[in-house]
Amino acid sequence: NAGVTQTPKFQVLKTGQSMTLQCAQDMNHEYMSWYRQDPGMGLRLIHYSVGAGITDQGEVPNGYNVSRSTTEDFPLRLLSAAPSQTSVYFCASSYSGTNYGYTFGSGTRLTVV
Amino acid sequence: RKEVEQDPGPFNVPEGATVAFNCTYSNSASQSFFWYRQDCRKEPKLLMSVYSSGNEDGRFTAQLNRASQYISLLIRDSKLSDSATYLCVVNKADSGYALNFGKGTSLLVTP
Repeated sequence: NAGVTQTPKFQVLKTGQSMTLQCAQDMNHEYMSWYRQDPGMGLRLIHYSVGAGITDQGEVPNGYNVSRSTTEDFPLRLLSAAPSQTSVYFCASSYSGTNYGYTFGSGTRLTVV
Repeated sequence: RKEVEQDPGPFNVPEGATVAFNCTYSNSASQSFFWYRQDCRKEPKLLMSVYSSGNEDGRFTAQLNRASQYISLLIRDSKLSDSATYLCVVNKADSGYALNFGKGTSLLVTP
């Protein structure tokens, strides 16, 4: 099994550009989340989903959109990139969350110049 | 108060030592607790879930004290390969099963 696959692994954007970070899982997990990790900040939740068609905001949702049209895919869209969005982005999925934890993708390292 | 707090370390210990990490959480309604391990520039990986009765996985022992809202991780007989950052993780009780992460405790095991 591939687990959680994120693409691209690295990306450089110019301020104001938009892009979509892809996330796909092949474990039939209902729960999926996007986190960003910045030095000294720990992982912070951007958006999450508890099933196809259901999404909700995390603690740092501004500047990001998500949708969940299938169980497998949970893309994260940057609407108009800003230097403050330079970060490492992790997608994660879980069977149920409780006591199972989440499996993480290998991350996307994004730089906005 | 931050939702999950950890001592950032770093903890520098010799091989074979026993080391303990502590973590506190602020939301008494949280139900799920985990320790994750993160190697430099890699994704977090689940080390173990934490149960109220305490649980052990080889050299690793996790404890949960709900009354004190306190979680611990004990590593016995440290190996060089244990060097990593250890993340204390608690579910967000008010938003399904999304997670709150501590900032992590850095461990360096030296020869």
